[in-house]
Amino acid sequence: QQPVQSPQAVILREGEDAVINCSSSKALYSVHWYRQKHGEAPVFLMILLKGGEQKGHDKISASFNEKKQQSSLYLTASQLSYSGTYFCGTERGSGGGADGLTFGKGTHLIIQP
Amino acid sequence: ETGVTQTPRHLVMGMTNKKSLKCEQHLGHNAMYWYKQSAKKPLELMFVYNFKEQTENNSVPSRFSPECPNSSHLFLHLHTLQPEDSALYLCASSQLLAGRHNEQFFGPGTRLTVL
Repeated sequence: QQPVQSPQAVILREGEDAVINCSSSKALYSVHWYRQKHGEAPVFLMILLKGGEQKGHDKISASFNEKKQQSSLYLTASQLSYSGTYFCGTERGSGGGADGLTFGKGTHLIIQP
Repeated sequence: ETGVTQTPRHLVMGMTNKKSLKCEQHLGHNAMYWYKQSAKKPLELMFVYNFKEQTENNSVPSRFSPECPNSSHLFLHLHTLQPEDSALYLCASSQLLAGRHNEQFFGPGTRLTVL
Protein backbone atom coordinates (compact mmCIF):
# COMPACT_ATOMS: atom_id res chain seq x y z
CA GLN A 1 0.00 0.00 0.00
CA GLN A 2 1.30 3.41 -1.03
CA PRO A 3 2.63 5.67 1.76
CA VAL A 4 1.01 9.09 2.09
CA GLN A 5 3.19 12.17 1.79
CA SER A 6 2.41 15.66 2.99
CA PRO A 7 2.39 18.41 2.00
CA GLN A 8 1.94 17.90 -1.74
CA ALA A 9 3.89 21.08 -2.48
CA VAL A 10 5.97 23.65 -0.64
CA ILE A 11 7.29 27.01 -1.77
CA LEU A 12 10.08 28.49 0.31
CA ARG A 13 12.55 31.33 0.18
CA GLU A 14 16.23 30.48 0.33
CA GLY A 15 17.32 29.93 3.92
CA GLU A 16 13.92 28.81 5.22
CA ASP A 17 13.21 25.38 6.70
CA ALA A 18 10.85 22.67 5.52
CA VAL A 19 9.47 19.40 6.86
CA ILE A 20 8.12 16.65 4.62
CA ASN A 21 6.11 13.85 6.16
CA CYS A 22 5.52 10.25 5.11
CA SER A 23 3.08 7.88 6.76
CA SER A 24 2.04 4.29 6.19
CA SER A 25 -0.84 2.14 7.32
CA LYS A 26 1.38 -0.96 7.46
CA ALA A 27 4.25 -1.94 9.74
CA LEU A 28 7.52 -0.78 8.27
CA TYR A 29 11.07 -2.03 8.39
CA SER A 30 12.62 0.97 6.68
CA VAL A 31 11.86 4.30 5.05
CA HIS A 32 13.91 5.58 2.11
CA TRP A 33 14.02 9.19 0.91
CA TYR A 34 14.87 10.28 -2.65
CA ARG A 35 14.95 13.60 -4.49
CA GLN A 36 14.19 13.96 -8.17
CA LYS A 37 14.89 17.08 -10.19
CA HIS A 38 12.89 17.76 -13.32
CA GLY A 39 14.06 15.59 -16.20
CA GLU A 40 16.49 13.64 -14.03
CA ALA A 41 16.50 10.30 -12.23
CA PRO A 42 15.70 10.08 -8.50
CA VAL A 43 18.74 10.39 -6.26
CA PHE A 44 19.14 8.69 -2.90
CA LEU A 45 19.09 10.89 0.21
CA MET A 46 18.62 8.72 3.28
CA ILE A 47 17.48 5.41 4.71
CA LEU A 48 15.99 5.09 8.17
CA LEU A 49 15.84 1.62 9.62
CA LYS A 50 13.74 0.07 12.31
CA GLY A 51 15.76 0.26 15.48
CA GLY A 52 17.17 3.71 14.81
CA GLU A 53 19.98 3.17 12.33
CA GLN A 54 20.33 5.79 9.60
CA LYS A 55 22.31 5.99 6.40
CA GLY A 56 22.54 9.14 4.36
CA HIS A 57 23.79 12.67 3.93
CA ASP A 58 25.17 14.65 6.83
CA LYS A 59 23.30 17.81 5.86
CA ILE A 60 19.86 16.21 5.72
CA SER A 61 18.13 14.89 8.78
CA ALA A 62 15.11 12.70 9.21
CA SER A 63 13.17 10.85 11.83
CA PHE A 64 11.35 7.53 11.88
CA ASN A 65 8.58 6.88 14.39
CA GLU A 66 8.12 3.11 14.25
CA LYS A 67 5.03 3.06 16.45
CA LYS A 68 3.22 5.62 14.33
CA GLN A 69 4.72 4.25 11.10
CA GLN A 70 5.74 7.76 10.12
CA SER A 71 8.88 9.45 8.88
CA SER A 72 9.75 13.12 8.49
CA LEU A 73 12.49 14.70 6.39
CA TYR A 74 13.93 17.97 7.69
CA LEU A 75 15.48 20.45 5.28
CA THR A 76 17.11 23.32 7.14
CA ALA A 77 18.48 26.56 5.75
CA SER A 78 17.26 25.54 2.32
CA GLN A 79 19.37 26.23 -0.74
CA LEU A 80 18.28 26.67 -4.34
CA SER A 81 19.72 23.23 -5.09
CA TYR A 82 17.15 21.64 -2.77
CA SER A 83 14.38 22.25 -5.28
CA GLY A 84 12.81 19.13 -6.68
CA THR A 85 10.31 16.41 -5.87
CA TYR A 86 10.92 14.39 -2.73
CA PHE A 87 9.72 10.79 -2.55
CA CYS A 88 9.56 8.49 0.41
CA GLY A 89 9.75 4.76 -0.22
CA THR A 90 8.72 2.20 2.34
CA GLU A 91 9.89 -1.36 2.85
CA ARG A 92 7.34 -3.59 4.48
CA GLY A 93 8.06 -5.37 7.72
CA SER A 94 8.02 -8.82 6.18
CA GLY A 95 11.21 -8.02 4.31
CA GLY A 96 13.17 -10.77 2.66
CA GLY A 97 14.07 -8.48 -0.18
CA ALA A 98 11.27 -9.82 -2.31
CA ASP A 99 8.85 -6.97 -2.35
CA GLY A 100 10.87 -3.88 -3.19
CA LEU A 101 9.91 -0.37 -2.17
CA THR A 102 6.55 1.34 -2.45
CA PHE A 103 6.84 5.07 -3.10
CA GLY A 104 4.55 7.93 -2.16
CA LYS A 105 3.25 10.42 -4.70
CA GLY A 106 5.97 12.92 -3.88
CA THR A 107 6.27 16.41 -2.42
CA HIS A 108 7.20 19.22 -4.79
CA LEU A 109 9.63 21.66 -3.20
CA ILE A 110 10.35 25.02 -4.83
CA ILE A 111 13.05 27.26 -3.39
CA GLN A 112 12.96 30.88 -4.46
CA PRO A 113 15.92 33.29 -4.17
CA GLU B 1 30.30 3.60 -18.13
CA THR B 2 29.44 4.09 -14.51
CA GLY B 3 26.29 3.72 -12.47
CA VAL B 4 23.11 2.59 -14.17
CA THR B 5 22.60 3.10 -17.89
CA GLN B 6 19.42 2.73 -19.92
CA THR B 7 18.79 2.58 -23.64
CA PRO B 8 17.09 3.96 -25.55
CA ARG B 9 16.46 7.28 -23.81
CA HIS B 10 13.39 7.97 -25.93
CA LEU B 11 11.10 5.54 -27.74
CA VAL B 12 7.99 6.08 -29.82
CA MET B 13 6.10 2.97 -30.83
CA GLY B 14 2.79 1.94 -32.29
CA MET B 15 0.37 -0.29 -30.49
CA THR B 16 1.28 -3.28 -32.66
CA ASN B 17 5.06 -2.92 -32.36
CA LYS B 18 7.45 -5.03 -30.30
CA LYS B 19 10.36 -3.27 -28.65
CA SER B 20 12.73 -3.80 -25.74
CA LEU B 21 14.20 -1.52 -23.11
CA LYS B 22 17.68 -2.27 -21.83
CA CYS B 23 19.24 -1.54 -18.46
CA GLU B 24 22.81 -2.20 -17.35
CA GLN B 25 24.31 -1.60 -13.94
CA HIS B 26 28.06 -1.24 -13.39
CA LEU B 27 27.91 -1.26 -9.59
CA GLY B 28 28.17 -4.95 -8.80
CA HIS B 29 24.69 -4.98 -7.25
CA ASN B 30 22.59 -8.11 -6.82
CA ALA B 31 19.11 -6.65 -7.22
CA MET B 32 17.50 -4.77 -10.11
CA TYR B 33 14.13 -3.09 -10.52
CA TRP B 34 11.78 -1.70 -13.13
CA TYR B 35 9.61 1.30 -12.24
CA LYS B 36 6.98 3.15 -14.21
CA GLN B 37 6.64 6.89 -13.61
CA SER B 38 3.67 8.76 -14.99
CA ALA B 39 1.77 11.85 -13.96
CA LYS B 40 -1.06 9.73 -12.55
CA LYS B 41 0.98 7.17 -10.57
CA PRO B 42 4.49 8.37 -9.80
CA LEU B 43 7.25 5.76 -9.23
CA GLU B 44 5.20 2.60 -9.51
CA LEU B 45 7.20 -0.59 -8.88
CA MET B 46 6.78 -3.11 -11.68
CA PHE B 47 9.33 -5.89 -11.22
CA VAL B 48 12.05 -6.88 -8.77
CA TYR B 49 14.93 -9.23 -9.56
CA ASN B 50 16.98 -10.63 -6.73
CA PHE B 51 20.11 -12.51 -7.85
CA LYS B 52 18.58 -12.83 -11.33
CA GLU B 53 15.39 -14.37 -9.96
CA GLN B 54 12.15 -12.47 -10.30
CA THR B 55 10.72 -12.00 -6.84
CA GLU B 56 8.02 -9.44 -7.49
CA ASN B 57 5.50 -8.88 -10.24
CA ASN B 58 3.42 -5.99 -9.06
CA SER B 59 0.26 -6.92 -10.98
CA VAL B 60 1.83 -5.83 -14.24
CA PRO B 61 -0.03 -6.69 -17.47
CA SER B 62 1.49 -9.48 -19.55
CA ARG B 63 2.25 -7.06 -22.40
CA PHE B 64 5.29 -6.16 -20.27
CA SER B 65 7.78 -9.02 -20.06
CA PRO B 66 10.99 -8.66 -18.04
CA GLU B 67 14.20 -10.60 -18.59
CA CYS B 68 17.29 -10.70 -16.40
CA PRO B 69 20.02 -12.79 -18.09
CA ASN B 70 22.61 -11.93 -15.43
CA SER B 71 22.96 -9.69 -12.40
CA SER B 72 24.18 -6.74 -14.49
CA HIS B 73 21.55 -6.64 -17.23
CA LEU B 74 17.80 -6.18 -17.19
CA PHE B 75 15.43 -5.97 -20.12
CA LEU B 76 11.79 -5.00 -20.45
CA HIS B 77 10.17 -6.47 -23.53
CA LEU B 78 7.14 -4.57 -24.79
CA HIS B 79 4.39 -5.79 -27.12
CA THR B 80 0.90 -4.63 -28.05
CA LEU B 81 1.07 -1.69 -25.65
CA GLN B 82 -1.74 0.80 -25.04
CA PRO B 83 -1.53 4.60 -25.12
CA GLU B 84 -1.91 4.67 -21.31
CA ASP B 85 1.42 2.82 -21.10
CA SER B 86 3.17 6.00 -22.18
CA ALA B 87 5.43 6.99 -19.28
CA LEU B 88 9.00 7.23 -18.06
CA TYR B 89 10.40 3.76 -17.36
CA LEU B 90 13.14 3.77 -14.77
CA CYS B 91 15.57 1.01 -13.97
CA ALA B 92 17.32 0.84 -10.60
CA SER B 93 19.77 -1.42 -8.82
CA SER B 94 20.77 -1.95 -5.23
CA GLN B 95 22.75 -4.30 -3.05
CA LEU B 96 20.51 -6.54 -0.98
CA LEU B 97 22.13 -7.39 2.34
CA ALA B 98 20.53 -9.96 4.60
CA GLY B 99 17.41 -9.64 2.48
CA ARG B 100 17.07 -5.91 3.04
CA HIS B 101 17.04 -3.15 0.45
CA ASN B 102 19.81 -0.59 0.50
CA GLU B 103 19.94 2.65 -1.44
CA GLN B 104 18.74 2.32 -4.98
CA PHE B 105 20.66 3.82 -7.87
CA PHE B 106 18.42 4.87 -10.72
CA GLY B 107 19.18 5.07 -14.39
CA PRO B 108 18.15 8.11 -16.45
CA GLY B 109 15.03 6.38 -17.73
CA THR B 110 13.41 5.69 -21.09
CA ARG B 111 10.66 8.10 -22.11
CA LEU B 112 8.11 5.87 -23.89
CA THR B 113 5.31 7.19 -26.08
CA VAL B 114 2.73 4.75 -27.43
CA LEU B 115 0.74 6.02 -30.40
